[in-house]
Amino acid sequence: AQTVTQSQPEMSVQEAETVTLSCTYDTSESDYYLFWYKQPPSRQMILVIRQEAYKQQNATENRFSVNFQKAAKSFSLKISDSQLGDAAMYFCAYRSDRETSGSRLTFGEGTQLTVNP
Amino acid sequence: DAMVIQNPRYQVTQFGKPVTLSCSQTLNHNVMYWYQQKSSQAPKLLFHYYDKDFNNEADTPDNFQSRRPNTSFCFLDIRSPGLGDAAMYLCATSRDRRRSGTDTQYFGPGTRLTVL
Repeated sequence: AQTVTQSQPEMSVQEAETVTLSCTYDTSESDYYLFWYKQPPSRQMILVIRQEAYKQQNATENRFSVNFQKAAKSFSLKISDSQLGDAAMYFCAYRSDRETSGSRLTFGEGTQLTVNP
Repeated sequence: DAMVIQNPRYQVTQFGKPVTLSCSQTLNHNVMYWYQQKSSQAPKLLFHYYDKDFNNEADTPDNFQSRRPNTSFCFLDIRSPGLGDAAMYLCATSRDRRRSGTDTQYFGPGTRLTVL
């Protein structure tokens, strides 16, 4: 079974600065997908960024980028120019490409990000 | 705007009294999911529907059932809620299950269930 680990329960960053959230995962599969979701206090889970394991290029979405290290099974999220609206719980998630796994997203425990003005 | 809607946002029920949570979507997605999220924990998938095909997770208690009468609606039924079932229940949809680019899951705002 796959597991996802986020070793930082809480992180804080000053507004306009950069922060990196860590995520590691354990899998024996070669094809899979990785995601970062954001869950603000309103509780609606929002997709931040996704990465296909077969792609070597790191995904980027505006101020958000990932550092995907497949051999190390690491998938960190970098937030540049942090804004107050970035404050939220961030979840790293894994999805297998195997048909038998259905569509299950396996989530990490989350990292609570605080942005200080 | 196309979206995932959950009603009610807050639900209070009594121990052992059946309760139904509702999810609807205007995205016309094939797949609908139900997750349980307890306080300060990661969401955990209970089951999902691919069209009318129901897929239960192996560790989902029998107390939890689901119905999908049409593409737009999906219901979560808790037959006899216990105190341990108090949680946020998240509904999500995706256009497909596996093909890259169509498997992104879009979440609703959740229903917070309290069991007295």
